[in-house]
Amino acid sequence: EAGVAQSPRYKIIEKRQSVAFWCNPISGHATLYWYQQILGQGPKLLIQFQNNGVVDDSQLPKDRFSAERLKGVDSTLKIQPAKLEDSAVYLCASSPGTDTQYFGPGTRLTVL
Amino acid sequence: QKEVEQNSGPLSVPEGAIASLNCTYSDRVSQSFFWYRQYSGKSPELIMSIYSNGDKEDGRFTAQLNKASQYVSLLIRDSQPSDSATYLCAVNRYSGGGADGLTFGKGTHLIIQP
Repeated sequence: EAGVAQSPRYKIIEKRQSVAFWCNPISGHATLYWYQQILGQGPKLLIQFQNNGVVDDSQLPKDRFSAERLKGVDSTLKIQPAKLEDSAVYLCASSPGTDTQYFGPGTRLTVL
Repeated sequence: QKEVEQNSGPLSVPEGAIASLNCTYSDRVSQSFFWYRQYSGKSPELIMSIYSNGDKEDGRFTAQLNKASQYVSLLIRDSQPSDSATYLCAVNRYSGGGADGLTFGKGTHLIIQP
């Protein structure tokens, strides 16, 4: 079974630029999560989708972050404009609806 | 807002000894608790989940839960150098269990000395 796929793996941008990350969950997993992990900290939930609907986006900085999950499969997370403090690893995870979450390899973002 | 607290370490343990990792949580209604292992530069990997007070064993790993004290621990027996990693404690963001988002601690960096 293929795992959660993410791209790109690394991204370097200047502050105030925009960036987008892509996630393809494990086939059949209805629940998809985006987490932000700043160096030295644990992952922080940004948004949770159930199929193509948002379940929880209470910790998403909506003035600059947006996410969508069209057709209930792939998802895209966008940052516009990026700030220095957005430098982090962005992790996508999926779940078949149980407690177990499967994490992708992450996208490491550096904002200069 | 739930909070999960862990000692960031590093915790250094000799090979073959028992490593003990601890975690406290602030929300008394939390129902589901997890331990993830994260190697440097890699994504988190689930190693244990626990829902009821007491101990749960899986191979060399034992998770312990005490809801009255709001305390979760992970014991690793016969520690191996390959156990060197950061261990993240996590709780369900809400109390419903199932596929809720997780609230993570900062993690404890464990070093197993050969």
